[in-house]
Amino acid sequence: EDQVTQSPEALRLQEGESSSLNCSYTVSGLRGLFWYRQDPGKGPEFLFTLYSAGEEKEKERLKATLTKKESFLHITAPKPEDSATYLCAVRSRGKLTFGQGTILTVHP
Amino acid sequence: SQTIHQWPATLVQPVGSPLSLECTVEGTSNPNLYWYRQAAGRGLQLLFYSVGIGQISSEVPQNLSASRPQDRQFILSSKKLLLSDSGFYLCAWSIPASSYNSPLHFGNGTRLTVT
Repeated sequence: EDQVTQSPEALRLQEGESSSLNCSYTVSGLRGLFWYRQDPGKGPEFLFTLYSAGEEKEKERLKATLTKKESFLHITAPKPEDSATYLCAVRSRGKLTFGQGTILTVHP
Repeated sequence: SQTIHQWPATLVQPVGSPLSLECTVEGTSNPNLYWYRQAAGRGLQLLFYSVGIGQISSEVPQNLSASRPQDRQFILSSKKLLLSDSGFYLCAWSIPASSYNSPLHFGNGTRLTVT
């Protein structure tokens, strides 16, 4: 059975304090790994798709990387508006499995 | 560009009452459509998905049903709500099934509280 584990469950940062979120996965035949941002009371917003180990994607202060067993979402010099829940999901054989998410809070 | 509309945003219903949540997608044809439920502090649980009109696959046997009467319309229903049906319901779409690595795009959800 496919499994996706995100850590930490919650992360508190000071504005400007860079850090990383982790998404570890166990799947049979990875077809893609997806990162989403979810604000309270809203639906998840798509951020990145990663397909193969070694791939990297960037968007503003966010950078996603992928290895054969995990993905990292690096946040550089975060701002309070980066506060949200970050979800990762993996697709294998047409099935999409979500992690539980990391709640990120950035204090000014 | 593609947009997804989901309504209502919030809903409070008594136990035993019926439910109908609607989702429509604009700007794309023949999308794959999905209903997810997100319980507080938990991940997303896939309830139903559809690859075409009238084609519904159920992932979790429960008190809910789904229908796709039109290409870009997806409806989640229940004849009699249970307390356990409370949660945050999300509709999503993706490009057709030949692209297994395509991301899902979500609506803004419906917060359902069954009292």
